[in-house]
Amino acid sequence: DAGITQSPRHKVTETGTPVTLRCHQTENHRYMYWYRQDPGHGLRLIHYSYGVKDTDKGEVSDGYSVSRSKTEDFLLTLESATSSQTSVYFCAISEIAGGPSEQFFGPGTRLTVL
Amino acid sequence: GNSVTQMEGPVTLSEEAFLTINCTYTATGYPSLFWYVQYPGEGLQLLLKATKADDKGSNKGFEATYRKETTSFHLEKGSVQVSDSAVYFCALRVNSGGYQKVTFGTGTKLQVIP
Repeated sequence: DAGITQSPRHKVTETGTPVTLRCHQTENHRYMYWYRQDPGHGLRLIHYSYGVKDTDKGEVSDGYSVSRSKTEDFLLTLESATSSQTSVYFCAISEIAGGPSEQFFGPGTRLTVL
Repeated sequence: GNSVTQMEGPVTLSEEAFLTINCTYTATGYPSLFWYVQYPGEGLQLLLKATKADDKGSNKGFEATYRKETTSFHLEKGSVQVSDSAVYFCALRVNSGGYQKVTFGTGTKLQVIP
């Protein structure tokens, strides 16, 4: 298994509070991704990173920001959590750009916003 | 835009039954097609892929053939096991500028009973 961990694995928070999710990899892969998984929607890309300090938006980036100060860490921040951000969040990594065939997924973080 | 349509689940089968999970797609250009599997509490894992028309992807007894004429990539297995119980995602990948955009289907839950 690829070395990807996510923390926390579960979190319950209240509307309006900031939340940061962490993805940590030990594979030294260049690309990292944040997805959210919701019933009826599959997985949707929030943000991705193509190198340290290099990030770009995905299809559902509103309300989220990311940072990557080191190759191994990719942080997802909800500045002011809303109930619509209740979801399961997955981090993924890949050596080359894009494509699920090259991506390895973390175990997920279940976030509940009350 | 690109889209992936999967049959709705859950699909419940008895052990050793034949499995088909339908997947159809719409895409601009020439996509690569994938099936991912997600076991309970885990992230997605690549199951198989096909990168051009008439290619057949196979892995762990699962197969899917890239049918360009019907824009389909149906997943099949001749004899399912209880351990195959999981959620299955069909996905496509196309080039989109400098990034290879991935579109996931909504997932189909498979439950195999002894």
